[in-house]
Amino acid sequence: EDKVVQSPLSLVVHEGDTVTLNCSYEVTNFRSLLWYKQEKKAPTFLFMLTSSGIEKKSGRLSSILDKKELFSILNITATQTGDSAIYLCAVRGDGGTSYGKLTFGQGTILTVHP
Amino acid sequence: DTGVSQNPRHKITKRGQNVTFRCDPISEHNRLYWYRQTLGQGPEFLTYFQNEAQLEKSRLLSDRFSAERPKGSFSTLEIQRTEQGDSAMYLCASSWASGGTDTQYFGPGTRLTVL
Repeated sequence: EDKVVQSPLSLVVHEGDTVTLNCSYEVTNFRSLLWYKQEKKAPTFLFMLTSSGIEKKSGRLSSILDKKELFSILNITATQTGDSAIYLCAVRGDGGTSYGKLTFGQGTILTVHP
Repeated sequence: DTGVSQNPRHKITKRGQNVTFRCDPISEHNRLYWYRQTLGQGPEFLTYFQNEAQLEKSRLLSDRFSAERPKGSFSTLEIQRTEQGDSAMYLCASSWASGGTDTQYFGPGTRLTVL
């Protein structure tokens, strides 16, 4: 069964700090890893990673995947109060009939204080 | 707005009643997914469709749950004889399947409370 573990479960920082969120996974026939941001509503897509060592970047957010060690990190530099949210990591495999579903971790709750 | 839409946004029902939720995916997306999310947890997969065909169902989806996507566009999720343990956020997502690396876009969810 596919599994995703995120750490830390919660994190409290001050504006301007840099944070690193971790995601480790076990999946049958890895296809992709996705990061989502969830505020008081549905998850919004941040990144999809399929290849090791290639950094994806969007503004102050960046992410990288290590397929050998089975983990990914999400970095947020110069944090702002608007970054406060739950950050979800999900993986998709290709094990048997599990061709479509995402398996999510429990999320990291990030709180950014002014 | 051309995103995924879900109705209703909130539903309160009494135990034992039946409820039905609707999801309208992004136009022309051929895959549609249902997930359930409880407080403090990530979304859990329930089922997904490619066009009209229901391709996978989680073992979380007991026989009280049924989902349809009759014309390959919108989908409904019905829960019969609701139980308090069914209280959760029900999320719908859609994607355009392409080589197994499609991105799923989520709707705002339907929050179900069973009294």
